[in-house]
Amino acid sequence: QKEVEQDPGPLSVPEGAIVSLNCTYSNSAFQYFMWYRQYSRKGPELLMYTYSSGNKEDGRFTAQVDKSSKYISLFIRDSQPSDSATYLCAPQRTGFQKLVFGTGTRLLVSP
Amino acid sequence: NAGVTQTPKFRILKIGQSMTLQCTQDMNHNYMYWYRQDPGMGLKLIYYSVGAGITDKGEVPNGYNVSRSTTEDFPLRLELAAPSQTSVYFCASSEGSGANVLTFGAGSRLTVL
Repeated sequence: QKEVEQDPGPLSVPEGAIVSLNCTYSNSAFQYFMWYRQYSRKGPELLMYTYSSGNKEDGRFTAQVDKSSKYISLFIRDSQPSDSATYLCAPQRTGFQKLVFGTGTRLLVSP
Repeated sequence: NAGVTQTPKFRILKIGQSMTLQCTQDMNHNYMYWYRQDPGMGLKLIYYSVGAGITDKGEVPNGYNVSRSTTEDFPLRLELAAPSQTSVYFCASSEGSGANVLTFGAGSRLTVL
């Protein structure tokens, strides 16, 4: 079983839609749950992260973690064409250097 | 503030050739990483370093070597290039504490023919 599973997409939505991006993971020791955004032909950059379970909101973006079901979600409200990118989840353990990433979900937001 | 700088951006190699991908960071980060990214496969860790003089293997180290003589630089060496090494390579760095947030370079696109 892979440590992190993520649907590669692509996920196509119209502008203004609510987007839900998801990951599942297998290691219960993960404590930080990162989301990176990667535009085409660019390096990934951190979008936001949460610690342990619960929700975190940053503008139009909300990260949600359910540790009981090992399920990570990223919600995007009022999606914009500029949100078109690949979103990678990256759960991690404190002090563990071998960081793992999901395969990434490619999101396409059409005007 | 340049962040993480990778060179070259693009390179075409012939099978059996060798080359070094350069990576330098100006954030005084202790941790540095090399990942490769293949279509639909996500980021795979090749090697990482927790400080000058200390390196360790990641998930896919075969065919690569690294060194870390300074905090700033973390070059990746490809020996005897093979078509399976065609990929996009990303270098990253981090402070390594708490939420280990990685800062990535722009990537180096390598084709082996």
